Amino acid sequence: ELKVEQNPLFLSMQEGKNYTIYCNYSTTSDRLYWYRQDPGKSLESLFVLLSNGAVKQEGRLMASLDTKARLSTLHITAAVHDLSATYFCAVDRNSGNTPLVFGKGTRLSVIA
Amino acid sequence: GAGVSQSPSNKVTEKGKDVELRCDPISGHTALYWYRQRLGQGLEFLIYFQGNSAPDKSGLPSDRFSAERTGESVSTLTIQRTQQEDSAVYLCASSSQGALYGYTFGSGTRLTVV
Repeated sequence: ELKVEQNPLFLSMQEGKNYTIYCNYSTTSDRLYWYRQDPGKSLESLFVLLSNGAVKQEGRLMASLDTKARLSTLHITAAVHDLSATYFCAVDRNSGNTPLVFGKGTRLSVIA
Repeated sequence: GAGVSQSPSNKVTEKGKDVELRCDPISGHTALYWYRQRLGQGLEFLIYFQGNSAPDKSGLPSDRFSAERTGESVSTLTIQRTQQEDSAVYLCASSSQGALYGYTFGSGTRLTVV
């Protein structure tokens, strides 16, 4: 059974600081996805990582995938308040033939 | 349509009543998924439809839950004899075959059982 673990689950950080969210998973997979969820809203796709070593960047967020270590990271650079949200990673264990398995989410709060 | 559409957006029901939740996926998306999200929690897989294949029902928590999909179109999730523990946001998502670029989620139905 595929398990996906995120840490930390809660993160309070000051504006301007850097931090990394980690996503570990338990079985082999070449596809990993990051989503953002604002309070009371649905999930919005952030990054699609489809191979070992993949790195994607959008604004102050950068995601990477190490399939050998079964680890993805979401790095936040110089945080701003607008990044406050819950971030989920999700892993595809069977090339789209089985449902994504989601981590529990990291609730990020950026404070002044 | 342009996005995944779910209705109703909010539903309050009395314990013991049946409810039906509807999902209209993106046109051309062959796969459709239902997830449940309890307050402050992650996403719990419920059921998955792919084209004309038999659905993957492995996530349904009890036989009170069922879902149908008409071809590659609308899906309904039915919860019979609702219980307070069924209170959650029910999220529907769709994807193209193989889901290479992940899922597109609807806005969800917030179900409250009183």
